[in-house]
Amino acid sequence: GAGVSQSPRYKVAKRGQDVALRCDPISGHTALYWYRQSLGQGLEFLIYFQGNSAPDKSGLPSDRFSAERTGGSVSTLTIQRTQQEDSAVYLCASSLSAGAEETQYFGPGTRLLVL
Amino acid sequence: AQSVAQPEDQVNVAEGNPLTVKCTYSVSGNPYLFWYVQYPNRGLQFLLKYITGDNLVKGSYGFEAEFNKSQTSFHLKKPSALVSDSALYFCAVRDRGDRDDKIIFGKGTRLHILP
Repeated sequence: GAGVSQSPRYKVAKRGQDVALRCDPISGHTALYWYRQSLGQGLEFLIYFQGNSAPDKSGLPSDRFSAERTGGSVSTLTIQRTQQEDSAVYLCASSLSAGAEETQYFGPGTRLLVL
Repeated sequence: AQSVAQPEDQVNVAEGNPLTVKCTYSVSGNPYLFWYVQYPNRGLQFLLKYITGDNLVKGSYGFEAEFNKSQTSFHLKKPSALVSDSALYFCAVRDRGDRDDKIIFGKGTRLHILP
């Protein structure tokens, strides 16, 4: 079956521009996660959803970052007034549930470059 | 708080030789442990996980990992390396006792298999 998909795959934004990154999880997966991967760094947790609710938003770097999930499926991560330090690969993952034992399956990522 | 360490930024191994990628962890309770691999311009792919039971876990592409509770380690191994194993490897840990604890990833180890 289809895996996790993300769009766009690449995005170039001018500083100050708003960007929206989309994630389509695996069908039937109730948990959805967003991570940020900067050059030379590991994965930085941003936010996760169980259904349409976000129990843990602790990883969002600033109030310029927000995310929503609708219909228990598609999620959008929005970055307002982008800054150069927002340049990174944004990875989405989904799992069957939010249980700690569940495997997370990752999408290919969106590479964001802010000029 | 939980943490995971991958002490080597890079590991070089000759093709056909055994490989080991090291991972140690720290959790307050009992861990769930995961290994993922990332190929260039791709998302993370799940390799294997330790949930419970046999300490030796076998995964995709001939990889295996051994859970060692006394040494708090979960090293990734393969008996005979292939050039195609060259990639970035991430170890991750999650505390099974706390549903709200998020998965923590190490910074990654870049594996180079030399022909």
